[in-house]
Amino acid sequence: NAGVTQTPKFQVLKTGQSMTLQCAQDMNHEYMSWYRQDPGMGLRLIHYSVGAGITDQGEVPNGYNVSRSTTEDFPLRLLSAAPSQTSVYFCASSSHPARLFYEQYFGPGTRLTVT
Amino acid sequence: KQEVTQIPAALSVPEGENLVLNCSFTDSAIYNLQWFRQDPGKGLTSLLLIQSSQREQTSGRLNASLDKSSGRSTLYIAASQPGDSATYLCADHIIQGAQKLVFGQGTRLTINP
Repeated sequence: NAGVTQTPKFQVLKTGQSMTLQCAQDMNHEYMSWYRQDPGMGLRLIHYSVGAGITDQGEVPNGYNVSRSTTEDFPLRLLSAAPSQTSVYFCASSSHPARLFYEQYFGPGTRLTVT
Repeated sequence: KQEVTQIPAALSVPEGENLVLNCSFTDSAIYNLQWFRQDPGKGLTSLLLIQSSQREQTSGRLNASLDKSSGRSTLYIAASQPGDSATYLCADHIIQGAQKLVFGQGTRLTINP
């Protein structure tokens, strides 16, 4: 199993540009989420999904959109990039929270710089 | 609002020592607690997951404990090695509408040969 994969690894955007960060998992996990990691702020939840067709907002959702058309994929879209979105983005997946044991697995991250 | 604190922010010890990393949380209504390792420029690697009904989990030289009543978890590393140098993060699993993690800021550990 590849686990959780993310592309691209690095990206530089100009203010106002849009892009999609890709995330895929091959563990048949129902729950997927996106976090951003910033110095001094730790990791914060952006959006999450408990299954195909179901998404919801986390702590810092503004400026980001998500969709979940398949169990495997959970892309994160930046609609109009701003310098405040410069960060490292991590995708994570786990078994559905209704199950007793659900360890979270993280991808390698995407380092995004917005100039 | 759940807050997770890790102290110290950085720790440097000589190789071979046993050490303890601390994690405290404000709301004892956590579901699980998970410890991660993060190497510079890399993603998070899961080390141990402690369910709320458990008191500890062990994997190799690592032992994690959980005391919900005092709002504390510890990660014990035995016989430290230079390869253990990394940032260690703890995260609470909370059910607030749905599952989410609340992370501490991490402890940056350096093991000196």
